[in-house]
Amino acid sequence: QQPVQSPQAVILREGEDAVINCSSSKALYSVHWYRQKHGEAPVFLMILLKGGEQKGHEKISASFNEKKQQSSLYLTASQLSYSGTYFCGTEEAGGSYIPTFGRGTSLIVHP
Amino acid sequence: NAGVTQTPKFRVLKTGQSMTLLCAQDMNHEYMYWYRQDPGMGLRLIHYSVGEGTTAKGEVPDGYNVSRLKKQNFLLGLESAAPSQTSVYFCASTNGGTVDEQYFGPGTRLTVT
Repeated sequence: QQPVQSPQAVILREGEDAVINCSSSKALYSVHWYRQKHGEAPVFLMILLKGGEQKGHEKISASFNEKKQQSSLYLTASQLSYSGTYFCGTEEAGGSYIPTFGRGTSLIVHP
Repeated sequence: NAGVTQTPKFRVLKTGQSMTLLCAQDMNHEYMYWYRQDPGMGLRLIHYSVGEGTTAKGEVPDGYNVSRLKKQNFLLGLESAAPSQTSVYFCASTNGGTVDEQYFGPGTRLTVT
């Protein structure tokens, strides 16, 4: 079942923070996060496994709350290079390690 | 190490024509996937394969067929193209069998008129 991402779009100025949410109605085993720039392929950011872990990559971090069946991606002090569409992919508990992707959140960072 | 490659990059078809998209990976990955991406819809899984000689249906398989005769290649076929199949097609691969990042190819932009 396709996870729900919110918001659909975010517009920021350089240096501002943003949070992108991903939620599912099913019990989750893992959450993937990818970023896609216009005209390019999605690029992997991070995977979070159940256990409530939090991971980080430079100024981009994420959390996974398995009880709430949701994950949040945190972008701190946004840079122009952060612009793009962010997708979460979720794998259901007891599933087949095949992620289902959300519809994406468009992030635009202005100077 | 080329990663995941897709052929062709662009294609225009007339309704009713057929074509095959080729995906190749050189990472010895077990799992391979075909997605389509339409505006506002995210990535939707068409078919996938968990190993050489195996294929399975994804979320939107109608109108497509696939084959995985060699581990490194995953072919997506359209037997009779329809305008609704106008989309960007991405291939991806993973080691599989465990939670792992997906490596995506550069995409094929297909227009059916």
